[in-house]
Amino acid sequence: GESVGLHLPTLSVQEGDNSIINCAYSNSASDYFIWYKQESGKGPQFIIDIRSNMDKRQGQRVTVLLNKTVKHLSLQIAATQPGDSAVYFCAEIEPGRRALTFGSGTRLQVQP
Amino acid sequence: SQTIHQWPATLVQPVGSPLSLECTVEGTSNPNLYWYRQAAGRGLQLLFYSVGIGQISSEVPQNLSASRPQDRQFILSSKKLLLSDSGFYLCAWSVRGEGGYTFGSGTRLTVV
Repeated sequence: GESVGLHLPTLSVQEGDNSIINCAYSNSASDYFIWYKQESGKGPQFIIDIRSNMDKRQGQRVTVLLNKTVKHLSLQIAATQPGDSAVYFCAEIEPGRRALTFGSGTRLQVQP
Repeated sequence: SQTIHQWPATLVQPVGSPLSLECTVEGTSNPNLYWYRQAAGRGLQLLFYSVGIGQISSEVPQNLSASRPQDRQFILSSKKLLLSDSGFYLCAWSVRGEGGYTFGSGTRLTVV
């Protein structure tokens, strides 16, 4: 079946730098996308979402960009902090399907 | 406010033993409920979801079953555990008709 995948399994950045985590999705019917953050031993936490009728959405220190032409999703974290170290998952949902499909995750490591 | 409770946090069970993991949601009515499993260092695999009492949809044929005896209660069970059932089990809920999930804190199951 179609799935969501990620380009980089591990991303290492310096504290204070900006981070960009990428995700490619293959289901062109998907119309809703979410980024989750998961710290070790915990459940995923919602970060930010975006619908397919948008190409950019901003939150506090985070921005999600959606490029439907190339089916690409990215999460930008500004001024990355040690507390941002975690695994980040993108997830998608298609109309009529009641459950999210998750990608395999990218580990973000923030170096002090 | 809405909360989700999942227990136990950790569980070590012998092969062939039964399993019962419970998840309850407070502060909302008629939620969609989900069970996901996460293998070590991997993404989240959807196991079951439910849109109402007694309504269970299974995503992957396996050694597990789910039940929803009450509106805000979701139970994951097995009659006989296998080694391959080890993993991090996550319960989640969402408002019907919306895509964002809220996850519980997870149960780490080790089958020995």
